[in-house]
Formats: sequence, structure tokens, C-alpha cells
Amino acid sequence: AQSVTQLDSQVPVFEEAPVELRCNYSSSVSVYLFWYVQYPNQGLQLLLKYLSGSTLVESINGFEAEFNKSQTSFHLRKPSVHISDTAEYFCAVSGGSSASKIIFGSGTRLSIRP
Amino acid sequence: NAGVMQNPRHLVRRRGQEARLRCSPMKGHSHVYWYRQLPEEGLKFMVYLQKENIIDESGMPKERFSAEFPKEGPSILRIQQVVRGDSAAYFCASSPPNNEQFFGPGTRLTVL
Repeated sequence: AQSVTQLDSQVPVFEEAPVELRCNYSSSVSVYLFWYVQYPNQGLQLLLKYLSGSTLVESINGFEAEFNKSQTSFHLRKPSVHISDTAEYFCAVSGGSSASKIIFGSGTRLSIRP
Repeated sequence: NAGVMQNPRHLVRRRGQEARLRCSPMKGHSHVYWYRQLPEEGLKFMVYLQKENIIDESGMPKERFSAEFPKEGPSILRIQQVVRGDSAAYFCASSPPNNEQFFGPGTRLTVL
């Protein structure tokens, strides 16, 4: 069985500060890993994904995540956050084929203070 | 190409009524997934369907919940005799075979 653990339910940071949202997973098979973002009262948007290849993946708005197989982690980082990054962030995993159910973590609420 | 569409966006039902949630996948997508997000929680997988077939319903409650994806028309998630605990956001996602899932905006169900 697969599972995802997001260690922090809330992360408050000041604007322009760096941030790391932690994610650990467990799986007995090779996985695909995702970070989704949910802005208030909206649906989910895919932020970035790891399928194979380079372990460092980046999004278009400055976020990056690194797949670490030995530590079974996929932490999300951004060197300098903006007010507009305020949202809920979900780490997720799916099985060997992406055409299968996605298992989500419980989410981390990122709040940015001016 | 329009994204995944869900309607209604908001649905209010009284206890004991039926709720019908609709999901129109993206054009060319033949796979549909339903997820439920309870307040203050992450999304939980409910069911995975292809046209006219249920592939995986391991996340569906055993009673009152059903889903279909007919040959023509949207996928329907049906909840009979709703209870307050069914209040949640229900998200649909679609994908082509063996590819990324795209999520709809969700239907927020409130049971009074």
C-alpha cells in the first residue's frame, strides 16, 4: 500500500523568505510523485511532478522539488515566497502507471505574512 | 480545449435527499476519477472509471454511493439518502490512457 505524510499542517513565513514543505512517502513499487496547489475555494492545480529522469523538478513559478529515493522524500522548496503563494499544498503519489488512483497527503497550509 | 467541467459547483441537500454530481472530462479523455475532500483534510480516492466500466471502486463507501460513466454523456456520482457526514468537496479528474490526471473545480455539497 502507498501512503503520503506531510509533516507540517501549517507553515507561516514572511514574504520573500525561503520555504520548504516536507513530504515523505511509502511504497513497495516505483512511484510517480506530485505536488498540487489549491487556492482558497478553488480546485487543484498541478504544480510539478516527478515521473523519471532528473530528480530535481521545477515549476514555472519558482517552486522546485527533489526526489530522494533513499529518504523516500519529495520536499517542495521555494527560495523567496510571494503573498500570492498563499494556498494549501498537497503532496501526492501514484503507482507504477499514472493511470491509477492518486494518494494524497493531508496538505500543508502555507500562509505568507507581509 | 475546455478543462474538466463539474456541475453544479455548489449543491445543497437536506438529509435523506439524493445528490447527483456530474463530471464532463476533457475532450479525448476516456478515464475519470472521483475524489472526496472532507473539511480540513486531503483528497481521498473514491472510484476510477472508463467508459461503461468501473475499474477500481476501492474508495467508495459500501452503501448509498454509486458512480457511472456512460458511453455518451458525463460521469455521474450519485449519493442516495444523504447524511450530514457527506458534506464535502467532490473532485473529478480525467486523463487519457496512462497519463496525467487533470482536476475539475469541484462540487461542494452541503447537507442540511
